[in-house]
Amino acid sequence: GENVEQHPSTLSVQEGDSAVIKCTYSDSASNYFPWYKQELGKGPQLIIDIRSNVGEKKDQRIAVTLNKTAKHFSLHITETQPEDSAVYFCAASSGGGADGLTFGKGTHLIIQP
Amino acid sequence: DAGVIQSPRHEVTEMGQEVTLRCKPISGHDYLFWYRQTMMRGLELLIYFNNNVPIDDSGMPEDRFSAKMPNASFSTLKIQPSEPRDSAVYFCASSFLTSEKLFFGSGTQLSVL
Repeated sequence: GENVEQHPSTLSVQEGDSAVIKCTYSDSASNYFPWYKQELGKGPQLIIDIRSNVGEKKDQRIAVTLNKTAKHFSLHITETQPEDSAVYFCAASSGGGADGLTFGKGTHLIIQP
Repeated sequence: DAGVIQSPRHEVTEMGQEVTLRCKPISGHDYLFWYRQTMMRGLELLIYFNNNVPIDDSGMPEDRFSAKMPNASFSTLKIQPSEPRDSAVYFCASSFLTSEKLFFGSGTQLSVL
């Protein structure tokens, strides 16, 4: 089955700086890679996703990059703000529905004022 | 729509007691998932249903755990008897058809003393 590794487990950055979270996956058949954000006391919420037919996707201050050859993908947050503080999860799926999603263990992002 | 609704938000119980967690998925969603979140293991898929039918329960840790979905708008996860190692946050999530996007509830924080 799929195995998703996520690093780092905790990341502390100064407000205004950039943050990068990295994930690797094992199954070469995986073709869908979402990122979820979990704020304190809430459930995870999808913030951005990418499919294997593209290498990069952006949405305002967040972007995701994918390297299929190396089987890794990353989340980039620029100009970090206090509201970016949360736990971020990456996931991978070979498609066909949410039943195929395998999650990483999460990264606790702390934005220092 | 109010989103995925879980109850209770917090549950504190003593070892050996029965615990029942409840979930109401988003109307029209035909997939329902139960996840468990711990610091050590991250998000673990316990079981999921499609059109009220359990499809994969391989993530259920042992026979003390059971889940039901009597209709399209309600599901329960039961632990009997509960043990301290069951302490975790339990999430319910739903999705629609073959969409990979998961909608999570706010979770139930379970503490077994």
